[in-house]
Amino acid sequence: EIVLTQSPGTLSLSPGERGTLSCRASQTISSTYLAWYQQKPGQAPRLLIYGTSNRATGIPDRFSGSGSGTDFTLTINRLEPEDFAVYYCHQYGPSPRTFGGGTKVEI
Amino acid sequence: QVQLVQSGAEVKKPGASVKVSCKASGYTFTVYNINWVRQATGQGLEWMGWMNPNSGDSVIAQKFRGRVTMTRSTSITTAYMELSSLRSEDTAVYYCSRGAMFFGAPAMDVWGEGTTVSVSS
Repeated sequence: EIVLTQSPGTLSLSPGERGTLSCRASQTISSTYLAWYQQKPGQAPRLLIYGTSNRATGIPDRFSGSGSGTDFTLTINRLEPEDFAVYYCHQYGPSPRTFGGGTKVEI
Repeated sequence: QVQLVQSGAEVKKPGASVKVSCKASGYTFTVYNINWVRQATGQGLEWMGWMNPNSGDSVIAQKFRGRVTMTRSTSITTAYMELSSLRSEDTAVYYCSRGAMFFGAPAMDVWGEGTTVSVSS
């Protein structure tokens, strides 16, 4: 099973700042199979990024993904109030598909 | 619009079974896989498995094999996830999600609203 470790656990930022979230895999993942999700309290997760760096439909360009191998990054430029949420990385290659433990981005 | 609508909250006793439904609309049901993911209160996301609504085939995570069954009814475009031998640790919100192919890989692009399952004696 591929274990995904996200850091930091909590990121405290102000609106307008940049957030950098990390996701490290226990073994190499094809970049095709790495996604990022945003989840707000009481809501289902929302797909932000698929295939490491591709924004899903309707996702603002302040969200960007990068990385390869075992190290992946989600960057949020110019944080907006609605961006404060929990973010999960997810690998959907080898079964079982797994999620990271999440990074909470708080004000 | 593309939508997945799940069944309502359930309260079950330990040892019982629960069956959660996921009604798909706005797209061709048989073209996209359906995943099931759960989340205990205050915890992260846990993938349980996926089903091909066209063939009915499913892939279940090792942890849930023997307790989870995924089925569907194509006539009413609904997927089902049944979890048996419930224990208190199964208390969670259960989500269905659609697996959309991007570059040949199925990312979960549309999610249901979640179904809360509570297991308590």
